[in-house]
Amino acid sequence: AQSVSQHNHHVILSEAASLELGCNYSYGGTVNLFWYVQYPGQHLQLLLKYFSGDPLVKGIKGFEAEFIKSKFSFNLRKPSVQWSDTAEYFCAVNTGNQFYFGTGTSLTVIP
Amino acid sequence: DTAVSQTPKYLVTQMGNDKSIKCEQNLGHDTMYWYKQDSKKFLKIMFSYNNKELIINETVPNRFSPKSPDKAHLNLHINSLELGDSAVYFCASSQGGARVGKLFFGSGTQLSVL
Repeated sequence: AQSVSQHNHHVILSEAASLELGCNYSYGGTVNLFWYVQYPGQHLQLLLKYFSGDPLVKGIKGFEAEFIKSKFSFNLRKPSVQWSDTAEYFCAVNTGNQFYFGTGTSLTVIP
Repeated sequence: DTAVSQTPKYLVTQMGNDKSIKCEQNLGHDTMYWYKQDSKKFLKIMFSYNNKELIINETVPNRFSPKSPDKAHLNLHINSLELGDSAVYFCASSQGGARVGKLFFGSGTQLSVL
């Protein structure tokens, strides 16, 4: 069965530190890839998405992600985090008509 | 075992029909949700139930009616289906009542209205 793995369950960083959240999926075919963010007490927002083309995708709020097909990965990065980035981050993979969410990574940014 | 399961995965139907999508969670969560994913992949909240009571009802047509027989189930019934209802619908659950806790998602139901 297809799956999406987010190996970092809980990440704690100080402000201005760099961020990289891992996302790996298990599907050999064509995929569309997403990162969603859930701020405390709020619903999901789309951070960025990859369908095709440049594997380095830039999203909102300074986030970017790189699709590495050979590694089945779509890691999320931000050069310098802010306290307001404290949230749950979900990776999601779309294969055909199916959507699979990772279990999420909780990011806490300490001022 | 799947934590949040929704059925069916695919639903193809004609305009004007009535259809239901079922959702069940075995996480013991108090709150369940229905989201609609639009063509740009944004997820929009439609409904939220906490302990079988409706707590969020965003602006959706009243042809959409959620039903929660118990806190582990939240079904979505759609009357008089229209072309614009075609989308992927996600069920989710969380712990936390009115304040949205960490969400756990089902795998989605692809609805195609012909």
